[in-house]
Amino acid sequence: AQTVTQSQPEMSVQEAETVTLSCTYDTSENNYYLFWYKQPPSRQMILVIRQEAYKQQNATENRFSVNFQKAAKSFSLKISDSQLGDTAMYFCAFMTNSGYALNFGKGTSLLVTP
Amino acid sequence: DTAVSQTPKYLVTQMGNDKSIKCEQNLGHDTMYWYKQDSKKFLKIMFSYNNKELIINETVPNRFSPKSPDKAHLNLHINSLELGDSAVYFCASSRYRDPPTEAFFGQGTRLTVV
Repeated sequence: AQTVTQSQPEMSVQEAETVTLSCTYDTSENNYYLFWYKQPPSRQMILVIRQEAYKQQNATENRFSVNFQKAAKSFSLKISDSQLGDTAMYFCAFMTNSGYALNFGKGTSLLVTP
Repeated sequence: DTAVSQTPKYLVTQMGNDKSIKCEQNLGHDTMYWYKQDSKKFLKIMFSYNNKELIINETVPNRFSPKSPDKAHLNLHINSLELGDSAVYFCASSRYRDPPTEAFFGQGTRLTVV
């Protein structure tokens, strides 16, 4: 079974600072996909960034970047220049090439303070 | 146009009633899902359909019955509602292969059973 672990239930960061959210996963498969989703208070699930396991280069989307360590099965999200609008639940998710569903971690609640 | 739309957005009902939540996607995806988000924000897969065929049926009570009339629709019918069914239910869709995409989520349906 594939599991996703987010060890930080809550985090806080000041505006303009950088914060890193941790995620580890467990799988015996070689081909898979990793995602970070953001869920603001509006409840909408928004994709932040995705990473294909076969790509060695870490994905980047504007202020969001990942540190993907395949051997360690680690997939952390770095948010640079944090903004108040980044306040949300962040979910790490995992999908295998042969699976039919995203498996989610329990989420990290991020609060960005002025 | 909304990519994945589910209705209703809010649903308040009494114990014992039967209710349905509808979901439609206009992305041309071949896979659709139902997720349940509990009060602790944990997202758990309930069902997964690929090309109208049921692929994943997690340990969900058989009071929950998904129906996929075509690839663009996946409805969820719940019989004999119980207090513990109160949660947010998300519909999502994705492309399964060539290459697989992330899941796109509807806005969620907050179900409250009283």
